[in-house]
Amino acid sequence: EAGVAQSPRYKIIEKRQSVAFWCNPISGHATLYWYQQILGQGPKLLIQFQNNGVVDDSQLPKDRFSAERLKGVDSTLKIQPAKLEDSAVYLCASSLGQAAYYGYTFGSGTRLTVV
Amino acid sequence: DQQVKQNSPSLSVQEGRISILNCDYTNSMFDYFLWYKKYPAEGPTFLISISSIKDKNEDGRFTVFLNKSAKHLSLHIVPSQPGDSAVYFCAASESNTGNQFYFGTGTSLTVIP
Repeated sequence: EAGVAQSPRYKIIEKRQSVAFWCNPISGHATLYWYQQILGQGPKLLIQFQNNGVVDDSQLPKDRFSAERLKGVDSTLKIQPAKLEDSAVYLCASSLGQAAYYGYTFGSGTRLTVV
Repeated sequence: DQQVKQNSPSLSVQEGRISILNCDYTNSMFDYFLWYKKYPAEGPTFLISISSIKDKNEDGRFTVFLNKSAKHLSLHIVPSQPGDSAVYFCAASESNTGNQFYFGTGTSLTVIP
């Protein structure tokens, strides 16, 4: 089966600019996650979708970050305006059902550098 | 607040020897644990899991041990191979409350040929 697709792979922007990332999960995976991984740290959950509804966005900085999952398939994560501390790898993951039993499948990530 | 901790940022092991990667957690409600492996420029890939009803799970060269009383798990790789060189993350979840996994900071394993 095809994996989780993410684009772009790399992005460099200046602070205060906006940026968007795209994710296409594995077909049939109802649950989609966006994680932020800062260098030297483990992935941190930003938002979790079940189909096209938000399950958990408690750690999403909503003043600058937004995410949507239209039609319960693809998802986009946007940052506007970006700050230097947003430099990180943004990982999208999907799971068939409850991740506690199925685990996640991660995409390759988008490496964002804010200068 | 880091609920899952990997206190060794790096580990070097000779090829053929055992690699032991450790992970500690603070939340006693965690009942499902995963290990992920990550190569540079790739996303993490699932390696092995264990639920709290077990204290050991094996898959080929990989074995995960869980000590619930100590809130500690470890991943053993025997024998270690150069291709095992990667960053290893442990992750924990409370299966009753939702799907979020909390990740440790990772341990970079280098297997020396």
